[in-house]
Amino acid sequence: DADVTQTPRNRITKTGKRIMLECSQTKGHDRMYWYRQDPGLGLRLIYYSFDVKDINKGEISDGYSVSRQAQAKFSLSLESAIPNQTALYFCAIATDTDTQYFGPGTRLTVL
Amino acid sequence: AQTVTQSQPEMSVQEAETVTLSCTYDTSESDYYLFWYKQPPSRQMILVIRQEAYKQQNATENRFSVNFQKAAKSFSLKISDSQLGDAAMYFCALSYMTTDSWGKLQFGAGTQVVVTP
Repeated sequence: DADVTQTPRNRITKTGKRIMLECSQTKGHDRMYWYRQDPGLGLRLIYYSFDVKDINKGEISDGYSVSRQAQAKFSLSLESAIPNQTALYFCAIATDTDTQYFGPGTRLTVL
Repeated sequence: AQTVTQSQPEMSVQEAETVTLSCTYDTSESDYYLFWYKQPPSRQMILVIRQEAYKQQNATENRFSVNFQKAAKSFSLKISDSQLGDAAMYFCALSYMTTDSWGKLQFGAGTQVVVTP
């Protein structure tokens, strides 16, 4: 268990609003990831970070940005939310055995 | 590009029986990791089992075991003595460390496991 927390757990927002999803971990792992889950599509990678100064785009980064404020914190932002960003969002960390552990997820609804 | 395919959208099993979930994958890498994750209705993604491609021995975790066939690029999950708490969506996933992938997980579409009393 990698003790990954996400806030908020649920969020409803309106089109055009800026929203930030936060992720924190307590075990000091360097690698952190943000994934999006849509029904029937599994999880897809949005962004990943290997340390505070190393941030990389995943396969579906358009419309999203991230910030690695500290080793323990990795935030995902939607600058101007749109309805097709309605999804379940997961933060994950990777251990030194290349195993990823996930936070509890944030269910985001954009109206 | 790497792909992960789960061809069974849903599998049903009775309590105490055994069910096997299929997963095939495609990668040109020789060193990689394979995983099964479980997602119950609580939506939490829970690691079930992990397999390193260089290890020939199949991984086991209590009632969960895998059949890893590297040449066939197959990675099936067997759940023995099924319990009601095993009901969930199960995802197969692949990862490897290269300069362009950096350990990101590639997921299959999932298999829903239904456990009947």
